[in-house]
Amino acid sequence: EPEVTQTPSHQVTQMGQEVILRCVPISNHLYFYWYRQILGQKVEFLVSFYNNEISEKSEIFDDQFSVERPDGSNFTLKIRSTKLEDSAMYFCASSDWGTPNEQFFGPGTRLTVL
Amino acid sequence: AQTVTQSQPEMSVQEAETVTLSCTYDTSENNYYLFWYKQPPSRQMILVIRQEAYKQQNATENRFSVNFQKAAKSFSLKISDSQLGDTAMYFCAFMAYNTNAGKSTFGDGTTLTVKP
Repeated sequence: EPEVTQTPSHQVTQMGQEVILRCVPISNHLYFYWYRQILGQKVEFLVSFYNNEISEKSEIFDDQFSVERPDGSNFTLKIRSTKLEDSAMYFCASSDWGTPNEQFFGPGTRLTVL
Repeated sequence: AQTVTQSQPEMSVQEAETVTLSCTYDTSENNYYLFWYKQPPSRQMILVIRQEAYKQQNATENRFSVNFQKAAKSFSLKISDSQLGDTAMYFCAFMAYNTNAGKSTFGDGTTLTVKP
């Protein structure tokens, strides 16, 4: 069964460093998302992406964040200068054109900012 | 803006018993979807069950069923014959119907412990 994959599973970085989180959505999906979950808290929407542009973004998704689909398979989230409060689990999700409301989540990347 | 409220931070149930997790939401939308996700200690998000608001029939997936009350904006999850593997955090989520990319709004979650 097709699934969303994310790499790395755990990333440790120093405050102020740039990080890139990678996702490979399900191959025929056209909508892509990033969510964040700070430990012990709810899952929060960051951004959605369709047709090579951002469809919607939340207040959390400020200028420090960017997304890109550099090729036909990867979908990346970049944090330019990480802060301690960026430590969280980051989930990628994707959905199909026919059923945009059915999102498939990846296993997540745990980001730890020291 | 939509809000999702899960009023039970923690619940516990004996193995083989039935438990119900509560969820209420607030929205001005008429067409939307509701979801229950399970997050085990591995922290992966696993879709348990989904309900389309236009459907009056409550969704069922094996031991999992929902009680969807649209007028009351209530969407509870019933787990029958609870198993140890059901121990996890459960999130209720809302998504407005959207022909483009839709976003999910999650509740705070309920930690469910199934006791042997």
